[in-house]
Amino acid sequence: GAVVSQHPSRVICKSGTSVKIECRSLDFQATTMFWYRQFPKQSLMLMATSNEGSKATYEQGVEKDKFLINHASLTLSTLTVTSAHPEDSSFYICSARESRGAYPYNEQFFGPGTRLTVL
Amino acid sequence: DAKTTQPPSMDCAEGRAANLPCNHSTISGNEYVYWYRQIHSQGPQYIIHGLKNNETNEMASLIITEDRKSSTLILPHATLRDTAVYYCIVRHNTGTASKLTFGTGTRLQVTL
Repeated sequence: GAVVSQHPSRVICKSGTSVKIECRSLDFQATTMFWYRQFPKQSLMLMATSNEGSKATYEQGVEKDKFLINHASLTLSTLTVTSAHPEDSSFYICSARESRGAYPYNEQFFGPGTRLTVL
Repeated sequence: DAKTTQPPSMDCAEGRAANLPCNHSTISGNEYVYWYRQIHSQGPQYIIHGLKNNETNEMASLIITEDRKSSTLILPHATLRDTAVYYCIVRHNTGTASKLTFGTGTRLQVTL
């Protein structure tokens, strides 16, 4: 299957700082990317959907000014957690989809995740 | 997208078949059944998907009932490395708005 990478895999930061997480599709062009968040022992929760060159669509309850998403190219999306606080500590997972149409071009492939710890 | 119901946890002995059930009674005619799994602290891994026919690949088999209201994922010979949370998801297979929404899944523990 297609490969999606994330960087960094793990980050620890101080409260009040901003953290950027990168998501890359390595062998396909991702017209749509998704960002999920997962707290310990819970399921993945979709935060936002972004289409290349467009503004992201955020799920209800997700603060768009706090979680800035940029999808400027077909292979890269970034999630910036601004002014991070301890409650933002979580496992952030990105997913990418080619979206050319029917299967297999519209499958979602997941990155390995980024564990954010805010002190 | 239709909701799914899965048992929260299951155990399986190594070498035996693991049968993971999923109910999706409100599935619509153009929605597919997908299965993903998540091993601890990793991103979800695609396993298999189907519309109405049974499907098999190198990882698993998917059995969908004739009325499509439920399905079963079968891991024919479970190993310790199959210990994970398994998610059953239904979604449309076309359109840019189509997305995977995860439920609580089934935590499968494979034991010696």
